[in-house]
Amino acid sequence: NAGVTQTPKFRILKIGQSMTLQCTQDMNHNYMYWYRQDPGMGLKLIYYSVGAGITDKGEVPNGYNVSRSTTEDFPLRLELAAPSQTSVYFCASRPRTNDYNEQFFGPGTRLTVL
Amino acid sequence: RKEVEQDPGPFNVPEGATVAFNCTYSNSASQSFFWYRQDCRKEPKLLMSVYSSGNEDGRFTAQLNRASQYISLLIRDSKLSDSATYLCVVNMGNNAGNMLTFGGGTRLMVKP
Repeated sequence: NAGVTQTPKFRILKIGQSMTLQCTQDMNHNYMYWYRQDPGMGLKLIYYSVGAGITDKGEVPNGYNVSRSTTEDFPLRLELAAPSQTSVYFCASRPRTNDYNEQFFGPGTRLTVL
Repeated sequence: RKEVEQDPGPFNVPEGATVAFNCTYSNSASQSFFWYRQDCRKEPKLLMSVYSSGNEDGRFTAQLNRASQYISLLIRDSKLSDSATYLCVVNMGNNAGNMLTFGGGTRLMVKP
């Protein structure tokens, strides 16, 4: 299993540009999550999904959109990039079985908006 | 008040030392608790879950005090490879997505 994969690893955007961060998992996990981590800070939840076709907002959803057309893929879209969106973005997934299931993280995408 | 609060450190300790981190959480209805480890410029990885009775995994011991709403992590016989940021993580319950709330992390540096 490749686990959770994310592309790209790095990206520099200009203010107002758009991009999609890709996330794929091959573990057949129902739950998927997008987080952002600012320097020296903990992770903040942007959006999550409990299964294909179902998404919901997390703590910091403004400026982002997601879709979940398949179990495997959970892309994150930035429509009008702003400097405040400079961060490291992590995608994660977990199975549904119980509260103590581990979340598995992808390697992250480092985004800079100039 | 932050939902999950940790001392950011850094904790600078010599090899072989014992070090302890604490974490407090605000929601008394929280259901499950974890310590994740994050190496510099890497993704978080689960170190251990924290159960009500306390649990141990080799040199690592985690404890939960529900009455005082804090979680602890004890590392014995520290190794250089233990240098990392330790994230206290809480599932605050009452959420369909089993969402986790992360503390800001405690940085540990183990020196020779």
